[in-house]
Amino acid sequence: QVQLQESGPGLVKPSGTLSLTCDVSGDSISSGNWWSWVRQAPGKGLQWIGEIYHSGRTNYNPSLKNRLIISVDRSKNRFSLNLASVTAADTAVYYCARDSGSHPGYWGQGTLVIVSS
Amino acid sequence: QTVVTQEPSLSVSPGGTVALTCGLDSGSVSNDHNPSWYQQTPGQAPRTLIYSISTRSSGVPDRFSGSILGNKAALIITGAQAEDESDFYCALLMGSGISVFGGGTKLTV
Repeated sequence: QVQLQESGPGLVKPSGTLSLTCDVSGDSISSGNWWSWVRQAPGKGLQWIGEIYHSGRTNYNPSLKNRLIISVDRSKNRFSLNLASVTAADTAVYYCARDSGSHPGYWGQGTLVIVSS
Repeated sequence: QTVVTQEPSLSVSPGGTVALTCGLDSGSVSNDHNPSWYQQTPGQAPRTLIYSISTRSSGVPDRFSGSILGNKAALIITGAQAEDESDFYCALLMGSGISVFGGGTKLTV
């Protein structure tokens, strides 16, 4: 059974860069699936951030595209999220996931990132 | 950007049947949107119930079913139980591999 674990700083300063990593176990990141990031602001719904294939091909949410980089490290079986120029509006629980069908299927437990000075 | 619509809230009696829907602010949902459905309880990660329109994820009870009904995707709960009280989200596939989540439905049992 695939397992995903998010890690990274829980506090980021405004205008800084939010960087998270998702470690994958129980599956190879090169297995032919897409790997996603989703976030949820406090008290709000789910927002799809973007996804990556093991080849490095990406799809991004248009509203975040200008600030977003998702990358993959096949040697470490992990993928990462970098979101630049963050504001308080980027405060959220961030989830990584492996896709089932066309959308996130298997989810990590999530990690809270607060943007504050 | 296209908006995915869900009922903000619904209620169902224990043992009853309820349909949660997932639509588009403009246009109809089709097989090409390949809907997924998720359940989330407070403080927990989402749980995938249905993907690829109607495929149940491993371990999901068969009282949950997914389909396209008319111009919307639907999640039908047959024989609702108290533990089904939670938030439900759908996701639709748009162009260029982009997924969009609906705003969620709060289900009261």
